[in-house]
Amino acid sequence: DAMVIQNPRYQVTQFGKPVTLSCSQTLNHNVMYWYQQKSSQAPKLLFHYYDKDFNNEADTPDNFQSRRPNTSFCFLDIRSPGLGDAAMYLCATSWAGEQYFGPGTRLTVT
Amino acid sequence: QKEVEQNSGPLSVPEGAIASLNCTYSDRGSQSFFWYRQYSGKSPELIMSIYSNGDKEDGRFTAQLNKASQYVSLLIRDSQPSDSATYHCAENQDNFNKFYFGSGTKLNVKP
Repeated sequence: DAMVIQNPRYQVTQFGKPVTLSCSQTLNHNVMYWYQQKSSQAPKLLFHYYDKDFNNEADTPDNFQSRRPNTSFCFLDIRSPGLGDAAMYLCATSWAGEQYFGPGTRLTVT
Repeated sequence: QKEVEQNSGPLSVPEGAIASLNCTYSDRGSQSFFWYRQYSGKSPELIMSIYSNGDKEDGRFTAQLNKASQYVSLLIRDSQPSDSATYHCAENQDNFNKFYFGSGTKLNVKP
């Protein structure tokens, strides 16, 4: 089935140790997103891509970077994770106003 | 980011009742609105979208939009225990390229 896939589903990293989260899609959608969601909070938009055009939210910390090497793949890099970066990271695509979310990656920072 | 406000709940309703979920938004330029259901530990799932003033029905779900008053609501008829989840309202601008979510209302449907 066409879908949005995120790997890994659970990631544990150490304070300050760089980590990369991966997302792939078989939907061939132009737009891809990264959200951060903490417990009982709204998913918070970090970035989105329209094709290769990168759009950064004004309040996304510089510690967060993203890459989209092709239509299918998108990566979230956290350069120096802090304890406050522990969260669920959601990747999504969209087409004609409908968003399709991956299952998320739960990041733990120790 | 844009402001989308929801009562965090929990909203408790008995099985078979109507659950009413509400959302307000601050940006009059918002064009499109969405309701997502999110089960604990899972990712959000789109259940309804609405673009025009008035009501939109899909099975047991009805979305209502009032742009003059800047609110969106979701009615769930014949609520089932499987409807127990957090419901997020989201708005969209920039030609569908950006979505902003509310923090969600937790719904509990009691058998």
